Amino acid sequence: GAGVSQTPSNKVTEKGKYVELRCDPISGHTALYWYRQSLGQGPEFLIYFQGTGAADDSGLPNDRFFAVRPEGSVSTLKIQRTERGDSAMYLCASSREGTGYTFGSGTRLTVV
Amino acid sequence: RKEVEQDPGPFNVPEGATVAFNCTYSNSASQSFFWYRQDCRKEPKLLMSVYSSGNEDGRFTAQLNRASQYISLLIRDSKLSDSATYLCVVNRPGANNLFFGTGTRLTVIP
Repeated sequence: GAGVSQTPSNKVTEKGKYVELRCDPISGHTALYWYRQSLGQGPEFLIYFQGTGAADDSGLPNDRFFAVRPEGSVSTLKIQRTERGDSAMYLCASSREGTGYTFGSGTRLTVV
Repeated sequence: RKEVEQDPGPFNVPEGATVAFNCTYSNSASQSFFWYRQDCRKEPKLLMSVYSSGNEDGRFTAQLNRASQYISLLIRDSKLSDSATYLCVVNRPGANNLFFGTGTRLTVIP
């Protein structure tokens, strides 16, 4: 597609539930990143994929968070047993080698 | 210490004013530097890369001072449409991910 597509744009879930957030990167971009942004803060790195593999998952806050990119294109960020503190904007970005990021419009997650 | 530090503002300036933002970064090995713009409830968008020699794009000028580890953004002749949050961004050395500052909020007033 023309840009990075993220779905859903908004997600409200109850505490303790499981959620999946989807990212469809720009065609041909091998690098894909997930970031989380809380109100009044800059985006914080979660995980980076190069192709199908997670090249760096050092930003995942705990083992409730997991992400996959099985065919090297679409990625899914999965959050188990959601907590109110997980409420944030989840941003996906993709890039080609040596270029800056292009972000999707994000998924606003609210855990109630 | 945070990787990237910015004054969160807010900066409220009249139309036509010149405004400058600075940020500092902690890792002297960082090699790539950017300014991103983020409108309210929107995603960040790349405004400009920052090069050692400094670079200019229309009303926007970015400077890098490696010795002092700070980056600046100058906006001349501010427009109402410049109102946004400006994020200072630095690469993580040896890795592909970027560190973002908390952003500086700018409001241009008519």
